[in-house]
Amino acid sequence: SQKIEQNSEALNIQEGKTATLTCNYTNYSPAYLQWYRQDPGRGPVFLLLIRENEKEKRKERLKVTFDTTLKQSLFHITASQPADSATYLCALGIGGGGNKLTFGTGTQLKVEL
Amino acid sequence: NAGVTQTPKFRVLKTGQSMTLLCAQDMNHEYMYWYRQDPGMGLRLIHYSVGEGTTAKGEVPDGYNVSRLKKQNFLLGLESAAPSQTSVYFCASTNRDTQYFGPGTRLTVL
Repeated sequence: SQKIEQNSEALNIQEGKTATLTCNYTNYSPAYLQWYRQDPGRGPVFLLLIRENEKEKRKERLKVTFDTTLKQSLFHITASQPADSATYLCALGIGGGGNKLTFGTGTQLKVEL
Repeated sequence: NAGVTQTPKFRVLKTGQSMTLLCAQDMNHEYMYWYRQDPGMGLRLIHYSVGEGTTAKGEVPDGYNVSRLKKQNFLLGLESAAPSQTSVYFCASTNRDTQYFGPGTRLTVL
């Protein structure tokens, strides 16, 4: 069966450290993968997109890697801040028309002072 | 630009009642989507639309109907609400890859 896995346990890190979140998938061949941020009581907000032919993408303190052989994406936040505390969702562009996305369950990140 | 808006923000229904959730976007996007989000389940696609007048089923369409009579609006209907439809509902829109989400509607069915 098709599955997208993100760490269900919350990730707690200290301010200033690098947070690394993992997204693993099985039985998909996504054309691209996206990361979203979701704050409590709000809708997800797009952060980064990486395509199947790209290995790495950066945006300010954010970095995403995409390994289609391992079927894994890593999402890094460098120099993390308490304001980075949120739930982070990965989503796969699965094709089939309609630009549909399939989402993981998300990982909650808490950055402590 | 308001982006994606959803009405209402909260609603409590009794089993068997019906209601319509409204999603509106002002970005001239072709594609629109309805998701539900439940604890531990992530976002699941209910129905989607690739343009005005079109609709298609997603992963969990049973018990829901949708309509897209105008490009900017996408309506989600529950004809006979069930407790299993208690959830947070999100609407999203896009013209390409990135989806823009509304603030959500928290629905409780008693």
